[in-house]
Amino acid sequence: GENVEQHPSTLSVQEGDSAVIKCTYSDSASNYFPWYKQELGKRPQLIIDIRSNVGEKKDQRIAVTLNKTAKHFSLHITETQPEDSAVYFCAASEAQKLVFGQGTRLTINP
Amino acid sequence: NAGVTQTPKFRILKIGQSMTLQCAQDMNHNYMYWYRQDPGMGLKLIYYSVGAGITDKGEVPNGYNVSRSTTEDFPLRLELAAPSQTSVYFCASSYGYTGTGIQPQHFGDGTRLSIL
Repeated sequence: GENVEQHPSTLSVQEGDSAVIKCTYSDSASNYFPWYKQELGKRPQLIIDIRSNVGEKKDQRIAVTLNKTAKHFSLHITETQPEDSAVYFCAASEAQKLVFGQGTRLTINP
Repeated sequence: NAGVTQTPKFRILKIGQSMTLQCAQDMNHNYMYWYRQDPGMGLKLIYYSVGAGITDKGEVPNGYNVSRSTTEDFPLRLELAAPSQTSVYFCASSYGYTGTGIQPQHFGDGTRLSIL
């Protein structure tokens, strides 16, 4: 089955700098890759997603890139703000399901 | 439109007790999912359903049961609760597949369950 690896597990950046989180997946049949943000004690919320027919997608300060050949995809957050502090999860589709990475705890330092 | 509603929000159970975690969605989604999230960990799929009357096992189904008698509801039953089932349980739903492919999952607020 699908296996998703996410790195790093923790990331600390200065406010205003950029943050990058990377995920690799194992199943070349996966074709949908969402990213979720989870604040402490809250539910995961979808922030951006990308499908396998697209190499890059951007939404304001957030972007996701996908390299199907290498089977990895990344989340890029620019001009980070304190409210970006949270745990971020990547996921890859496996038939009707999603397989999640282990999460990255992002801390934005003022 | 409430989205995905989970009840209860918190519960403490004794070892060996049973309970049902409720999940309801009002978005007319066909697909529904149950995940557990242990402290500091990712989401592991317990069971999922692609429509009323259809359920299937996920990665960690042991100790749990589900049913899907309606499109809106997808309850998760714990039989003979064990300390290893202490976790946060999230229900999610989606439209499933459309012309553009698999659709995003939307999560409820979770149920925090402790087994003592």
